[in-house]
Amino acid sequence: KAGVTQTPRYLIKTRGQQVTLSCSPISGHRSVSWYQQTPGQGLQFLFEYFSETQRNKGNFPGRFSGRQFSNSRSEMNVSTLELGDSALYLCASSLESGAGRGSYNEQFFGPGTRLTVL
Amino acid sequence: AQSVSQHNHHVILSEAASLELGCNYSYGGTVNLFWYVQYPGQHLQLLLKYFSGDPLVKGIKGFEAEFIKSKFSFNLRKPSVQWSDTAEYFCAVTLYNQGGKLIFGQGTELSVKP
Repeated sequence: KAGVTQTPRYLIKTRGQQVTLSCSPISGHRSVSWYQQTPGQGLQFLFEYFSETQRNKGNFPGRFSGRQFSNSRSEMNVSTLELGDSALYLCASSLESGAGRGSYNEQFFGPGTRLTVL
Repeated sequence: AQSVSQHNHHVILSEAASLELGCNYSYGGTVNLFWYVQYPGQHLQLLLKYFSGDPLVKGIKGFEAEFIKSKFSFNLRKPSVQWSDTAEYFCAVTLYNQGGKLIFGQGTELSVKP
């Protein structure tokens, strides 16, 4: 079974531009979560989508947004890029989401998109 | 706010030494617990997880972790490390009703000298 894929793998943008990152989850997975990884802040949760609805949101400004399509693929968008947005953006998918225990909540990560803002 | 803290930022060991990485979380309710590993140039991989039951869980590559509820801890252990264990290790939790939101610790970089 193919893993989580993310495109593009590398991206260079300048301040003020906007960017869209894409994530394709493992086949059959319906939940997609996004994380930002930086040396200073570590791994921080951005948001989670399940069945095309945002289920959870982290503490990021409104410039960060996302969506999920009916095939569970997800995109995240960052508008008006700032230097501090330079990071590795990770996508993770899981079978289900929400309350409870169990391996249906186990998240599998993609390789990430390395975004550099100049 | 809920948080996860990892005691060590950088650990250096020789091959065959024993490893214990500390992890504590701050949340009084029910949690799911995870350890992830990120090898150089590779993506995050799940080492082991705890949902319920036996508090001593075994993962891949000889790693194990013990959940101590009274101490809010989930420490990672390995009896004998290898050079190939050089990586960054992340402890993470999800709250019972927020399964899709992993809260990560800052990570521990492990360097194993051959």
